[in-house]
Amino acid sequence: KAGVTQTPRYLIKTRGQQVTLSCSPISGHRSVSWYQQTPGQGLQFLFEYFSETQRNKGNFPGRFSGRQFSNSRSEMNVSTLELGDSALYLCASSLTSADTGELFFGEGSRLTVL
Amino acid sequence: GENVEQHPSTLSVQEGDSAVIKCTYSDSASNYFPWYKQELGKRPQLIIDIRSNVGEKKDQRIAVTLNKTAKHFSLHITETQPEDSAVYFCAASRQAGTALIFGKGTTLSVSS
Repeated sequence: KAGVTQTPRYLIKTRGQQVTLSCSPISGHRSVSWYQQTPGQGLQFLFEYFSETQRNKGNFPGRFSGRQFSNSRSEMNVSTLELGDSALYLCASSLTSADTGELFFGEGSRLTVL
Repeated sequence: GENVEQHPSTLSVQEGDSAVIKCTYSDSASNYFPWYKQELGKRPQLIIDIRSNVGEKKDQRIAVTLNKTAKHFSLHITETQPEDSAVYFCAASRQAGTALIFGKGTTLSVSS
């Protein structure tokens, strides 16, 4: 069974640009959540999608947005990039079952903003 | 919203010693408390989790305890080995399988 796939793995942007990151969950997983990882701040929750609906949202500015498609693939977009947006962006998928709570993470997309 | 505090931020132990990492959470409705291990350059992976109806859970050298009244939960690693060196994250959510609120992580270093 293929794991969670994130693309692109690495990207470099300049301030003011926008970026779109993609996440393909494990087959059969309908829940996808996104996290920003930076040194010292750990894993900060961005948003969660289930069946194409945003179920939960973290405390990030409106420049950060996301969506989920009917095949459960998800994208996140960051507009008007700032230097502080440089981070590893991780997505995770899960079955959303009370019996199996595990989130399966992708390898992440490392964004560098210059 | 939920807030998870994790201590210590760094922990150094000798091989064979025990390591304890502690977390507190703020949302009394949280019912699911997993721990993830992230080795350098790799993705986080679940090592153990506990639900609110259980006070303690063990898996070989790893154990987790939960005190719902005090909103505390802890990870205990016994007989530490160099391969236990990693960053450990505690987390909380209202329901297993949904998005998690993580602590800031503990960097554990086990020296031989």
